[in-house]
Amino acid sequence: AQKVTQAQTEISVVEKEDVTLDCVYETRDTTYYLFWYKQPPSGELVFLIRRNSFDEQNEISGRYSWNFQKSTSSFNFTITASQVVDSAVYFCALSEENRDDKIIFGKGTRLHILP
Amino acid sequence: DAGVTQSPTHLIKTRGQQVTLRCSPKSGHDTVSWYQQALGQGPQFIFQYYEEEERQRGNFPDRFSGHQFPNYSSELNVNALLLGDSALYLCASSFVGHSTDTQYFGPGTRLTVL
Repeated sequence: AQKVTQAQTEISVVEKEDVTLDCVYETRDTTYYLFWYKQPPSGELVFLIRRNSFDEQNEISGRYSWNFQKSTSSFNFTITASQVVDSAVYFCALSEENRDDKIIFGKGTRLHILP
Repeated sequence: DAGVTQSPTHLIKTRGQQVTLRCSPKSGHDTVSWYQQALGQGPQFIFQYYEEEERQRGNFPDRFSGHQFPNYSSELNVNALLLGDSALYLCASSFVGHSTDTQYFGPGTRLTVL
């Protein structure tokens, strides 16, 4: 069965610190997509990244980076030099069979960036 | 380019009532998915509509039903509301024919059942 676990319920860091959000997933499929979404207080889910299960290259986008390790079924997200605007709930998610038909979300990690 | 829009923003109903939520997909998208997000939880997949038909369904009772119109917009209907139906309802759209596309979410409708 599919499952996404975000063990960190809530994290607080001081502005400019680096922070890593952990994500562990379970799936029996060999083909799947992994996602990260950001949910600010306004409630809208903002798409951050989608990673194909066959592409294990790490990705960097500005202050954001993602570490995908198939061997440990993990897809961790790091924010470098955090800013107050990064405060939000972050969701890791999974969909199987290389389609976005049904996305399974973790419970989210609430990130507080303190000024 | 308009993103996914949802209406209404907020809604208050009482137990036993029925509610209809609406969603307009992002321009160019033809597939609409609905999710329920209870407080403090991640979104849970309700169902997906494509070509005016329900294509996939999550673990939700038949009280939850939907519809997709020829212009790709969609409605989510919930009958016989329960207190536990209080949640943020999110709509997401995508283009089924585009393999590299992903789902984009609307701002949600917050439903409170009293």
